[in-house]
Amino acid sequence: QLQLQESGPGLVKPSETLSLTCTVSGGSISSSSYYWGWIRQPPGKGLEWIGSIYYSGSTYYNPSLKSRVTISVDTSKNQFSLKLSSVTAADTAVYYCARGWMVTATAPGAFDIWGQGTMVTVSS
Amino acid sequence: SYELTQPLSVSVALGQTARITCGGNNIGSKNVHWYQQKPGQAPVLVIYRDSNRPSGIPERFSGSNSGNTATLTISRAQAGDEADYYCQVWDSSTAGVFGGGTKLTVL
Repeated sequence: QLQLQESGPGLVKPSETLSLTCTVSGGSISSSSYYWGWIRQPPGKGLEWIGSIYYSGSTYYNPSLKSRVTISVDTSKNQFSLKLSSVTAADTAVYYCARGWMVTATAPGAFDIWGQGTMVTVSS
Repeated sequence: SYELTQPLSVSVALGQTARITCGGNNIGSKNVHWYQQKPGQAPVLVIYRDSNRPSGIPERFSGSNSGNTATLTISRAQAGDEADYYCQVWDSSTAGVFGGGTKLTVL
């Protein structure tokens, strides 16, 4: 059964870059049937979509974060990654990676498998 | 940008039917997905594409979508259904949008 696991520093200093990796096990990240995404949840608040990457390599980002976000895939390691630059306290959140399936080649469906999430705190 | 509106909270008596709404401009033209999140856990997909249940989700969970409102319906509510519920759509297929979430309390 496919599983996702987030990893990375739990504490990041303001103005630095947050870097997280999601390791996919039990299946291949290289499938045109799926896409991969990052979602975050500040303490006590709701879910916020950060961005997604498709099999084609196309990336789509939340417009409110677009200038600071980069999502990439490393197929050799079956991993995908998130980088968020110039972080502030407002970026403190639980970060989830998730898999979604493609309804068509260009239309994403729901996120059907999620990682357990990792808490990242931005503080000096 | 596209916005989704959910009530902050919904209460339901044990064994009764709970309905959680998700409002958006012409949301009926979009595919709506619903997630359940219990405290300290990752979200779980309970309804996809308006009204479809993933494997393992009880038949008590159902969904509908028309006009400006999508609805998640939970029949015969159980204590274990207490959770936060989020609706989600794709705006123009390239931007994910979540509703603000609804806390379901089973009385």
